[in-house]
Amino acid sequence: DSGVTQTPKHLITATGQRVTLRCSPRSGDLSVYWYQQSLDQGLQFLIQYYNGEERAKGNILERFSAQQFPDLHSELNLSSLELGDSALYFCASSGGRTFTDTQYFGPGTRLTVL
Amino acid sequence: AQSVTQLGSHVSVSEGALVLLRCNYSSSVPPYLFWYVQYPNQGLQLLLKYTTGATLVKGINGFEAEFKKSETSFHLTKPSAHMSDAAEYFCAVSGSGGSYIPTFGRGTSLIVHP
Repeated sequence: DSGVTQTPKHLITATGQRVTLRCSPRSGDLSVYWYQQSLDQGLQFLIQYYNGEERAKGNILERFSAQQFPDLHSELNLSSLELGDSALYFCASSGGRTFTDTQYFGPGTRLTVL
Repeated sequence: AQSVTQLGSHVSVSEGALVLLRCNYSSSVPPYLFWYVQYPNQGLQLLLKYTTGATLVKGINGFEAEFKKSETSFHLTKPSAHMSDAAEYFCAVSGSGGSYIPTFGRGTSLIVHP
């Protein structure tokens, strides 16, 4: 158990819909990272927040957005969903703000878009 | 731009045999290098990382990797495979672009035969 929790575990929805994925970091960790894992694209970094502020942005679509709240939990919002958005979405957390800090991954949310 | 190539999408070994998972990278700057393991239905777990200093890096579960700049490689090894090592392994590189956003390889599935 990494100490990072993600809800829900599974999500099935239809094209065009909007969903919200939630992540609670390990106690004391200030950074939250979001990743997408799909068969087509592999594992890709989406976005990082550190103590409530966006710190780094990767291959995140404009239809996707994220935020980190004062209690440090984070949400990833996916809108206008397409079939190709079906993937595993991982959240990770670390104590520091750099990518060299050890990241602890949650179990992921599996999104299926029908 | 940076990239990672993991040679062999599947590697099969017998229990007790040497494990060698290959990773080659390209990076325009001195890289940071990582190996992660992903067990079925779980998130990624950091095995080891190279940032600076000693080029032979020891990680968890008896794994180690050696950074060879001249060969642009960071191969993962373990002297004796256990059944519990069966999992997906990902190599990642970061360092280019100033933001240190990681790029992941496509992964290698390690199969361990009794």
